[in-house]
Amino acid sequence: AQKITQTQPGMFVQEKEAVTLDCTYDTSDQSYGLFWYKQPSSGEMIFLIYQGSYDEQNATEGRYSLNFQKARKSANLVISASQLGDSAMYFCAMREGYNTDKLIFGTGTRLQVFP
Amino acid sequence: EAGVVQSPRYKIIEKKQPVAFWCNPISGHNTLYWYLQNLGQGPELLIRYENEEAVDDSQLPKDRFSAERLKGVDSTLKIQPAELGDSAVYLCASSLVDGDTQYFGPGTRLTVL
Repeated sequence: AQKITQTQPGMFVQEKEAVTLDCTYDTSDQSYGLFWYKQPSSGEMIFLIYQGSYDEQNATEGRYSLNFQKARKSANLVISASQLGDSAMYFCAMREGYNTDKLIFGTGTRLQVFP
Repeated sequence: EAGVVQSPRYKIIEKKQPVAFWCNPISGHNTLYWYLQNLGQGPELLIRYENEEAVDDSQLPKDRFSAERLKGVDSTLKIQPAELGDSAVYLCASSLVDGDTQYFGPGTRLTVL
């Protein structure tokens, strides 16, 4: 079974609007970490936001927030006030256990922001 | 602070030829990773180094792939001989310590003809 599932191959959003990118995960570990990365056409994976499984509050980083619903095993990324520069691929990833380094990535969602 | 540096950015070779990719991690980062990203997929870990020691190379196809990080800083990933199916993006990442956030380089896009 896939560990990380991103069901939206592509999403469109108008500039200045908010958009939610879905991510569900599968793990039996109690301790894990969830990450979102942005990959523009240049190819570099840019770290956006992190949520630990024991964090009680949803993570926020500027215009990015992570809607963490532990019981549903979902970690959706919310981008507020979309900008044209947000157009890119977005990957959700999970690190299982504490102090392990293996990241498991989803297949990504391509976001396109239009004027 | 400089990010993860990779070279070359693009490489085109014929099958059966050797190829090498170079990575310089963020200064002070002890952990270095090589990932393979096929078209339309997320990255998959090939090998992870803690300083100069390869601590996880279970996903590295050792018949044709090799990697080294001799002085615990920069690293080289080699393929010999390359096959058509090796066409992909090879990403390098580093983290300060084991378990910390990983920061990626721009990748090397390999095309095998």
